[in-house]
Amino acid sequence: QEQLVQSGTEVRKPGASVKISCKASGYSFTGSYMYWVRQTPGQGPEWMGITNPGGGSTTVAQKFQGRVTMTTDTSTTTVYLEVNTLTSDDTAIYFCARDGITAPGTLDLWGQGTLVIVSP
Amino acid sequence: DIQMTQSPSTLSASVGDRVTIICRASQSVSTRLAWYQQRPGKAPKLLIYKVSTLETGVPSRFSGSGSGTEFTLTISSLQPDDFATYYCQQYNGYFPWTFGQGTKVEV
Repeated sequence: QEQLVQSGTEVRKPGASVKISCKASGYSFTGSYMYWVRQTPGQGPEWMGITNPGGGSTTVAQKFQGRVTMTTDTSTTTVYLEVNTLTSDDTAIYFCARDGITAPGTLDLWGQGTLVIVSP
Repeated sequence: DIQMTQSPSTLSASVGDRVTIICRASQSVSTRLAWYQQRPGKAPKLLIYKVSTLETGVPSRFSGSGSGTEFTLTISSLQPDDFATYYCQQYNGYFPWTFGQGTKVEV
């Protein structure tokens, strides 16, 4: 079945970097764009960016430009999110999500989320 | 960026109640409006897209309406499974897509 499986919880110190993985299966990996969003407790999801596993292009939200990188490994059907220069404000659950097949622009398949904790 | 504002933030209801959640956009998003349900500890789940089209498998007690800047999500008869947090999301025009802050439906 279609699924996105993300890597596990990460704990980092301020100033460090983190790289999260999201492995896709059960559908055409290169046929759909992939989003990254994050969520802090009690808040709505925050859109971070979008990547095209088929073509390699990415668009990162202005807030994260220069600090976030999205990459793809088509051989393992995995997308990656790297966040640099972490601060406590980056403590959140990070989700990958597929661009809607029936409705592009929506997020129709989600990973289970990866908790990133930034703490001294 | 387009700001999405939901009301109320919390809604107390009982099984069988009719529930309505409002989502307002800071500028028109045409019909590019989706709704998601999120249960504690889980990822959001797409319920409705293009204002009123139900995602496959979503019960017909869920419905959406509106256009432009004001939208509603209605649950016609609340079921135990429906106690969750609901988010609207706009996907009109340029990035970034934006979400509302959420409406928690509780007992």
